[in-house]
Amino acid sequence: DAGITQSPRHKVTETGTPVTLRCHQTENHRYMYWYRQDPGHGLRLIHYSYGVKDTDKGEVSDGYSVSRSKTEDFLLTLESATSSQTSVYFCAISEPSRGEAFFGQGTRLTVV
Amino acid sequence: GNSVTQMEGPVTLSEEAFLTINCTYTATGYPSLFWYVQYPGEGLQLLLKATKADDKGSNKGFEATYRKETTSFHLEKGSVQVSDSAVYFCALKEYQGAQKLVFGQGTRLTINP
Repeated sequence: DAGITQSPRHKVTETGTPVTLRCHQTENHRYMYWYRQDPGHGLRLIHYSYGVKDTDKGEVSDGYSVSRSKTEDFLLTLESATSSQTSVYFCAISEPSRGEAFFGQGTRLTVV
Repeated sequence: GNSVTQMEGPVTLSEEAFLTINCTYTATGYPSLFWYVQYPGEGLQLLLKATKADDKGSNKGFEATYRKETTSFHLEKGSVQVSDSAVYFCALKEYQGAQKLVFGQGTRLTINP
């Protein structure tokens, strides 16, 4: 299995609080991604990174920010959590020469 | 923009039945195509892939052929097992630029003994 660790695996938080999810990889892959998974929508891209300090928005980026200060870590922050951000969040990594992406185990976030 | 459309689920079959899950895509350039599988409570695992037209990806008895003329990548298996019950996602990876994966909405498959 690819070395990807997401933390925490489960979190319950209150509306309006900031939340940070962490993705850590040991594969030295260049690209890292954050997706959210919701019923009927498949996986939708939130943000991605193509190198240290190089990030860009995906299709559902509103209300989220990211940072990548080291190759191995990609942080997703919900600046002020809302109930619509209740979801399962997946981190993925890829290396262009390999083609496929590898996924973490997911973080289940509930905003109450 | 790029997009992937999968057949609506859920799909329920009996053990040893033939499986087809349809997937079509819209893309510029020459994307790579993938099928991922998600078992309950787990992340996504790569099932198979194809990187150019007419390539056939295969794994664990599953197959899919990259059909450029019909922009399709249908997943097939000749004889399904209960252990194949999962959610299946078709995806494409952009040929250039950000290498983003674009997913279909997923198809939940249940196999009954």
